[in-house]
Amino acid sequence: KAGVTQTPRYLIKTRGQQVTLSCSPISGHRSVSWYQQTPGQGLQFLFEYFSETQRNKGNFPGRFSGRQFSNSRSEMNVSTLELGDSALYLCASSLVAGLTNEKLFFGSGTQLSVL
Amino acid sequence: ILNVEQSPQSLHVQEGDSTNFTCSFPSSNFYALHWYRWETAKSPEALFVMTLNGDEKKKGRISATLNTKEGYSYLYIKGSQPEDSATYLCAFKSAGGTSYGKLTFGQGTILTVHP
Repeated sequence: KAGVTQTPRYLIKTRGQQVTLSCSPISGHRSVSWYQQTPGQGLQFLFEYFSETQRNKGNFPGRFSGRQFSNSRSEMNVSTLELGDSALYLCASSLVAGLTNEKLFFGSGTQLSVL
Repeated sequence: ILNVEQSPQSLHVQEGDSTNFTCSFPSSNFYALHWYRWETAKSPEALFVMTLNGDEKKKGRISATLNTKEGYSYLYIKGSQPEDSATYLCAFKSAGGTSYGKLTFGQGTILTVHP
């Protein structure tokens, strides 16, 4: 069974540009959540999608958005990039969302560098 | 904003030593406590999901305990091996408030086991 796949693995962008990251969950998993990891910070929750609907959102500005498709694949978009958006972006999948005891299965992440 | 704290921030031990570290979380609105291991250049991998006060979980040489009333969990590694070197993350899932259903991660404990 294939794991969580994130593409691309690395990205270099300049300030003001926008970027789209992709996440394919484990087959059969319908929930995808996104996290940002910056040096010195823990994993910060961005948002969670289930059945193409955003179920939960973290404390990030509106420049960060996402969506989920009918095949459960998810994309995350960051518009008007800032230097502080340089981070490792991880996605994680699980069978369902919300109040569940399920563990998360993480992808390898996309390392975004904003110059 | 929820506060999930892990201590120590980093730990160096010799092969064969036993070690433990702590995760502190809010004692209200508890739903679940997750532990993940994150090895360098790999994806975070779930160790345990704990839900009941007094819960104890074990996986090989690694075990964890949970005290939801006082808001802490301990992770123990018996007879540390170099392959145990990783960042250990805990994450709190809230059953209420503005963080309902969200996983809030601590900053992690970086464990280095020297041969």
